[in-house]
Amino acid sequence: EAQVTQNPRYLITVTGKKLTVTCSQNMNHEYMSWYRQDPGLGLRQIYYSMNVEVTDKGDVPEGYKVSRKEKRNFPLILESPSPNQTSLYFCASSSVGSADTQYFGPGTRLTVL
Amino acid sequence: GEDVEQSLFLSVREGDSSVINCTYTDSSSTYLYWYKQEPGAGLQLLTYIFSNMDMKQDQRLTVLLNKKDKHLSLRIADTQTGDSAIYFCAETPNDYKLSFGAGTTVTVRA
Repeated sequence: EAQVTQNPRYLITVTGKKLTVTCSQNMNHEYMSWYRQDPGLGLRQIYYSMNVEVTDKGDVPEGYKVSRKEKRNFPLILESPSPNQTSLYFCASSSVGSADTQYFGPGTRLTVL
Repeated sequence: GEDVEQSLFLSVREGDSSVINCTYTDSSSTYLYWYKQEPGAGLQLLTYIFSNMDMKQDQRLTVLLNKKDKHLSLRIADTQTGDSAIYFCAETPNDYKLSFGAGTTVTVRA
C-alpha cells in the first residue's frame, strides 16, 4: 500500500529537549516536504527536499532542521524545542513535477511545555 | 505573493448543497486543489483543477475556477454528515510547493 508514515503520532516534551519526528514514504518519490498546521493559519511549509542531499527552506524554517540521506526518509529535527513549536506536523511526498498528487502522512501532534 | 484566503466556517443542512469559496493570488499556479481533513486525520486530496479549465465535475463535487478574479469554489451536492470536515484550498506557486488557505470548517446539521 502506498503510504507516508510518521512517528511518533503524539509527543509531549519539554522546552530544550531535542527531538526528531521521522517520515518515511514507500513510493520512491523524489520530493518530500514538512508542514505545520495551526488553527486559523492553515498549513505552512517548513522545509522541503527535491531529492537525496537536496533540501531547502520553506516559509517557516526557523527552529527546525531536516536531512535527506536516503530517498525514502525525511526526518524533522527540533534541536531545542520551544512552546511556539506546539503544533500539528504533516509530512508529504510526491513525484517531482507532479504537483497534482501530494501524499500526506497522518500527522504528528507535538506539545512543547 | 502567495496568499490564499477562505472563510473559516460553514454550516449546512443535510441534503442541501455546500459552497466553499477561496481566493488566491498567484496567477501562475498550474493546479488548484481542494483537500479534505476529517477530525483527527491527515489531509486527503479531494479534487484539483488545471488552471486552463473553468469547471470540473466529479460525482457530487463541482469545482469552479474564475481566473480573472482568482476565485475558486467547491460545491458539494446533497451534503451528508460524512462531509463534515475542514476543507483546504491550495495553490501551487511553483511545482514543489502547496500554499494553503486557513481551511473552512464545514458542519453538517440534521
